[in-house]
Amino acid sequence: QKEVEQNSGPLSVPEGAIASLNCTYSDRGSQSFFWYRQYSGKSPELIMSIYSNGDKEDGRFTAQLNKASQYVSLLIRDSQPSDSATYLCAVNPDAGNTPLVFGKGTRLSVIA
Amino acid sequence: EPEVTQTPSHQVTQMGQEVILRCVPISNHLYFYWYRQILGQKVEFLVSFYNNEISEKSEIFDDQFSVERPDGSNFTLKIRSTKLEDSAMYFCASGGLGAGNQPQHFGDGTRLSIL
Repeated sequence: QKEVEQNSGPLSVPEGAIASLNCTYSDRGSQSFFWYRQYSGKSPELIMSIYSNGDKEDGRFTAQLNKASQYVSLLIRDSQPSDSATYLCAVNPDAGNTPLVFGKGTRLSVIA
Repeated sequence: EPEVTQTPSHQVTQMGQEVILRCVPISNHLYFYWYRQILGQKVEFLVSFYNNEISEKSEIFDDQFSVERPDGSNFTLKIRSTKLEDSAMYFCASGGLGAGNQPQHFGDGTRLSIL
């Protein structure tokens, strides 16, 4: 069974702080890793993808991947109230355009 | 920016009735997916579709489900005889062709309510 685990939260951070979201996955052969943001009642919105070990930065977002530890994280710098949402970690366990396995998501609340 | 569109946004149906959920994937994408999300739960994969056939399906995708790409643009999910437990958000996603796993882009979803 391929699993993706996330702390469900809620994670509360003050406005302007760094929010750190974590994800672990069970399948060591997993190939690709994605972070989606989901506002309540809305669809998942892709915010980051990462494929190789290390850091990948895009604006205020940084994704970090450590395949040896089977760990993916997302850092949000200068958090804004509009960042308040559920953040879903999704993993492609196999090569090719295969289905995503999602975690349950971490609810982030940014307090103004 | 191109996007995946889904209709209807909300469908209310009596148990036992058939429903068809519609999706228009991003035009140059070749991989299509249906996922569902029961309220408060994780997003779950149902089925993937490539080259006019199902490429993979989950245990959820049993005989009451079917998918079709009736023309060059639409991608549909049919549930033949709905059950109360089919109530969920249904998301269509599409992915492009390229080396490795391309990100999947999601539509706004159809909220299906079975009475």
